[in-house]
Amino acid sequence: SQQGEEDPQALSIQEGENATMNCSYKTSINNLQWYRQNSGRGLVHLILIRSNEREKHSGRLRVTLDTSKKSSSLLITASRAADTASYFCATGLFSGNTPLVFGKGTRLSVIA
Amino acid sequence: DVKVTQSSRYLVKRTGEKVFLECVQDMDHENMFWYRQDPGLGLRLIYFSYDVKMKEKGDIPEGYSVSREKKERFSLILESASTNQTSMYLCASRLASGPQETQYFGPGTRLLVL
Repeated sequence: SQQGEEDPQALSIQEGENATMNCSYKTSINNLQWYRQNSGRGLVHLILIRSNEREKHSGRLRVTLDTSKKSSSLLITASRAADTASYFCATGLFSGNTPLVFGKGTRLSVIA
Repeated sequence: DVKVTQSSRYLVKRTGEKVFLECVQDMDHENMFWYRQDPGLGLRLIYFSYDVKMKEKGDIPEGYSVSREKKERFSLILESASTNQTSMYLCASRLASGPQETQYFGPGTRLLVL
């Protein structure tokens, strides 16, 4: 069952602009992860934020987590054409072997 | 670097054929997963395996089976392929040490059933 819902479904921006994607989820989580998928390829892990964290940075990526609203956002600053991809949030629950639950993704197009 | 490989990038099969999709990981991960990805539906979990010879149904197991005889290999089997199983199939693996672990994905197999 899908827990994460990304918003918007698709986003088109100019190179150099910032891109913001949002994710909402339904149940309590241990962590939330963001993955990227280039067209026709597998997913690649970008960043993980734990439920007791509110913000995390990695290079041009900034992730926030609001557990009271059950939502997260991924900000990509100074976007590049190479950032064009689909971005998925995935929630990790508390049981060690429980699979991540993925959302449907946001398709980002960065126009040069 | 963790490497997850899938036996084929593209596969074309006929309706009714038995299809084997193979996934191999080289990092001694206990957990392995099979997903299918369809436009507008995101990733849906078919089956997963906690460890060797262990398997659990995911959200959409109907029409599929799996085999995990060795730790590094997780096979997805379509017993009798149907056109509605045309999809992108993604395999992933993960350490079993906790929910904070990253899932590592293979490149995917795009299956067309005619």
